[in-house]
Amino acid sequence: GDSVTQMEGPVTLSEEAFLTINCTYTATGYPSLFWYVQYPGEGLQLLLKATKADDKGSNKGFEATYRKETTSFHLEKGSVQVSDSAVYFCALFDSWGKLQFGAGTQVVVTP
Amino acid sequence: GAVVSQHPSWVICKSGTSVKIECRSLDFQATTMFWYRQFPKQSLMLMATSNEGSKATYEQGVEKDKFLINHASLTLSTLTVTSAHPEDSSFYICSARGDESSYEQYFGPGTRLTVT
Repeated sequence: GDSVTQMEGPVTLSEEAFLTINCTYTATGYPSLFWYVQYPGEGLQLLLKATKADDKGSNKGFEATYRKETTSFHLEKGSVQVSDSAVYFCALFDSWGKLQFGAGTQVVVTP
Repeated sequence: GAVVSQHPSWVICKSGTSVKIECRSLDFQATTMFWYRQFPKQSLMLMATSNEGSKATYEQGVEKDKFLINHASLTLSTLTVTSAHPEDSSFYICSARGDESSYEQYFGPGTRLTVT
């Protein structure tokens, strides 16, 4: 079945550093892809999405490009802030209309 | 907008008892609600999908008699863990979708259940 694999955390980096979280997927067809973020004590929030190949989703300085050649949807941010500390989930919308999540990557940004 | 709440945020119960978790959509009507379970450092696993006024659809391997789901109104769904055991200890998350044509789900903050 459809699935998502993302890099394990925690990822610890300093403020203003560059962040990359790798995400690859396995799916039949071309599913919509998402990144969700979970801040401490809060529910998951949709961070960005891409619905077809070569689409770039962006929000709050984060970007991810839907690459069908490499079946990837890596999340990037050029300069992280302490407030970006959270758990990030890559997800896809499968052919059954359900969200399939990766395991989540905890990001810790230190001042 | 699109806020989903869960109550309680954490609960401790004794083995053999039942516990109910509520999920509410505060500012929209949720035609569909989802219940997930999350183990430490693992992904969210979909347990069941519920539509208002109808029986929930459970994922393979989820015991419907143990995890009772009721979606009695367009703003409320409940998950009851019956005869809880320590292995039921987990983080339970609900989400809600207001538009059936949309993929977008709005997530609650989760409920930490500990069974002693």
